[in-house]
Amino acid sequence: DVQLLESGGGLIQPGGSLRLSCAGSGFNFSTHAMSWVRQAPGKGLEWVSSIRSGGIGTFYADSVKGRFTISRDNSRNTVDLQMNSLRAEDTAVYYCAKDATAIRGAELDSWGQGTLVSVSS
Amino acid sequence: DVVMTQSPLSLPVTLGEPASISCRSSQGLVHIDGNTYLSWFQQRPGQSPRRLIYRVSKRDSGVPDRFSGSGSGTEFTLKISRVEAEDVGVYYCMQGTHWTTFGQGTKLEIK
Repeated sequence: DVQLLESGGGLIQPGGSLRLSCAGSGFNFSTHAMSWVRQAPGKGLEWVSSIRSGGIGTFYADSVKGRFTISRDNSRNTVDLQMNSLRAEDTAVYYCAKDATAIRGAELDSWGQGTLVSVSS
Repeated sequence: DVVMTQSPLSLPVTLGEPASISCRSSQGLVHIDGNTYLSWFQQRPGQSPRRLIYRVSKRDSGVPDRFSGSGSGTEFTLKISRVEAEDVGVYYCMQGTHWTTFGQGTKLEIK
């Protein structure tokens, strides 16, 4: 079975940095694009970022461009999200999601349980 | 950005009755590769999203056949033939043709 396990969330002050990580298992990690999707408290889903299977090719929502960086290590089956210059509006549960294809976040077929990021002073 | 508009946003349904959710996109969703990347997700209370339908009408493994998807162009629909108690939650449409965007969500509750 596909498993995605996020870690790294927590409480951080505005302007701070946090690094999320997602470990994948139960599938051929290196052949699938991976994405991060977030959900603010009581709100809907918002796509954040995607990375192609080989790591060359990254994509970001305008709301995080220039502040967040997605990366992956196919030898360790992990995908990370480095979040800098955090703002209160970045407060959300961050989900890691597997794509059905190698290309990008077009078909998110499996999701992790999420990790909560709270940005507050 | 492609805007996905769902209706209704709240859907009270009697057990055993059908339900239907509409999703409209601001642009057509046919990709240059010929596929239409329109998916539907269910998010039960306290859980992460689960994909039900992909490429408009393909049901994911393990999804009951009372769930079905249809549509084309800019108009798409998720139908539940007979609502059960376990169907309570929020349903989202998502397009993956022009980057990735989600609808606002439709909250299904039992009347």
